[in-house]
Amino acid sequence: KAGVTQTPRYLIKTRGQQVTLSCSPISGHRSVSWYQQTPGQGLQFLFEYFSETQRNKGNFPGRFSGRQFSNSRSEMNVSTLELGDSALYLCASSLEGGPLETQYFGPGTRLLVL
Amino acid sequence: SQKIEQNSEALNIQEGKTATLTCNYTNYSPAYLQWYRQDPGRGPVFLLLIRENEKEKRKERLKVTFDTTLKQSLFHITASQPADSATYLCALNSDSWGKFQFGAGTQVVVTP
Repeated sequence: KAGVTQTPRYLIKTRGQQVTLSCSPISGHRSVSWYQQTPGQGLQFLFEYFSETQRNKGNFPGRFSGRQFSNSRSEMNVSTLELGDSALYLCASSLEGGPLETQYFGPGTRLLVL
Repeated sequence: SQKIEQNSEALNIQEGKTATLTCNYTNYSPAYLQWYRQDPGRGPVFLLLIRENEKEKRKERLKVTFDTTLKQSLFHITASQPADSATYLCALNSDSWGKFQFGAGTQVVVTP
């Protein structure tokens, strides 16, 4: 079974631009979560999608948004980029997002905002 | 506010010894606690899950304890090997679907 894939792997943007990141979960997984990882803050939960609906949301500004398609693939969008948005963005998939389930992470997209 | 703390200082340990990592939490009542391993440039990989009513869980050379009174989990790597060098993250879930909260992780360096 193919693992979680994320595209692109690396991205350089300038302040004020917007960016869209993509995540393809493991086949059969319906829950996709997004995390931001920075050296100072660690892994911070952004949001989780299940069956095309946002089920949970972390404490991030509205500039961060996402969506999930009928095939469970998910995209994350960040508008009006700020320098502080530079981070590794990870997505994770699981069957249904249950607390006993294993989350499988992708390799991440490293975003650099200049 | 909810807080999860892991030792930010790297743990340097000699091969063959036991590495012990801590995960402390406040203002939180997790029902489940997971431990992950993360290598540089890669996403975290699941290692172990322990429930709030379990005191200890083992998997090969790994052992996790969960003390809800102390609000702490300990993660042990016995007979450590250089291949165990990585960052280890704890993740908590208060029995809600789709929402895990992670600690910042502790780096372990095992030297031969």
